[in-house]
Formats: sequence, C-alpha cells, structure tokens
Amino acid sequence: DQQVKQNSPSLSVQEGRISILNCDYTNSMFDYFLWYKKYPAEGPTFLISISSIKDKNEDGRFTVFLNKSAKHLSLHIVPSQPGDSAVYFCAASARGETSGSRLTFGEGTQLTVNP
Amino acid sequence: DGGITQSPKYLFRKEGQNVTLSCEQNLNHDAMYWYRQDPGQGLRLIYYSQIVNDFQKGDIAEGYSVSREKKESFPLTVTSAQKNPTAFYLCASSIDSRGYGYTFGSGTRLTVV
Repeated sequence: DQQVKQNSPSLSVQEGRISILNCDYTNSMFDYFLWYKKYPAEGPTFLISISSIKDKNEDGRFTVFLNKSAKHLSLHIVPSQPGDSAVYFCAASARGETSGSRLTFGEGTQLTVNP
Repeated sequence: DGGITQSPKYLFRKEGQNVTLSCEQNLNHDAMYWYRQDPGQGLRLIYYSQIVNDFQKGDIAEGYSVSREKKESFPLTVTSAQKNPTAFYLCASSIDSRGYGYTFGSGTRLTVV
C-alpha cells in the first residue's frame, strides 16, 4: 500500500522556467510533509516542509503548496537552475501518533533542468 | 561538525554471506532509521529505533537485523536470507520519533557478486 505517491518518475524543464513536482497521499493522519533532494550516490538533503495547518510555505525559489481536501501537495521551483537537477522525494508523517511515527517516502521524481 | 556517517561507501558481498553496514551519528538524536533505495521504488523503511535497546521492523525487514546498544550507533546486518540485497542503503537520524525531518548519511552501495 503506497501511502505517498509521486506519479511522475521524471520531469524536464528549461533553465529559468518553473518546475512543478507533484505528490499525492492517502493517509488522512499525515500532518507534516517534507521535500528532500537527492543527488546520485549521496543521501537526501532536506529542502522544505509544511505543516497541515498551512496551505503554503515559501523559502527562496522553493514553494510548497498543500491541498488537504485533495490530499495533494506540490513543490514549485522558480526559476529553475541546472543545479536543481536531482531526484526529489516527497515525504509525510503523522506526528500526532504517540509511537512509531516515521517518514513515509514517495517514489521520487527525477528533475532535469536543461541550460 | 555534527553529522551522520555511513561506512563503507561501497561494499561487495558473495552470495550466502552476512554483511554489516555501519551507521554512526554525533547529533545526539534519539531516533535512527535504515532505508533501502531501489530504482523506481523510492525509499523503503527496513528498521527503525526510537531509543537505545529498542527497535521496530519497518516495511521490508525480512532478511535484515539491527541492534541499538548505543545512542550513536545503529548497525544493519544484511543476512543471507535477504533475497535481493543489492541496493543503496541509507541511514538517517532525527531528534525524536515524531517524524520531524531526518538527517541522512551519504549511503552504502551494496553489491552481491
């Protein structure tokens, strides 16, 4: 049962344009969402997060939008740069759980930004 | 600087052998995790530990074992019972078990030959 899904395995955009990465979840107990960026042969690094009490969080070129009714979140990167080329993982947790809380990851989306 | 260290970066194992992957953190984090990455399948949780001397199975624990004798260390043993051990293994830690952001190690690539 894949509780966090990233339906697009890959995305290619031109430098300077907007990149939009999408993520859907099924578990209504999830209340905290994160995006991680991963380069080959390295561990993922934290990018941006959002709590379920918000619908938007912005950090520089990166903005995450959360639509709770649709159980959907998206990551916008504007403007996209070649250095943004990486695999992006969506993750979710149910922080209200008293035990066993952990992050559940999506499959990842490979973003390629072309110069 | 605080961080999380995985070793070795590359590991080769013959079929039928057990192998142990190291994970050490000096972040004073309570919780530690082991994930496996396979192409097209994202990160899947193998085992996690919320506190010393305690750990729980994740989604794909079969063929793996762990220990948590020290707060700083969470080694993963890939046993001969693991059917498809070739993968990229990632260790992570977090300040508590409530699902706040993880800090990841740089990973170990295990190849069975």
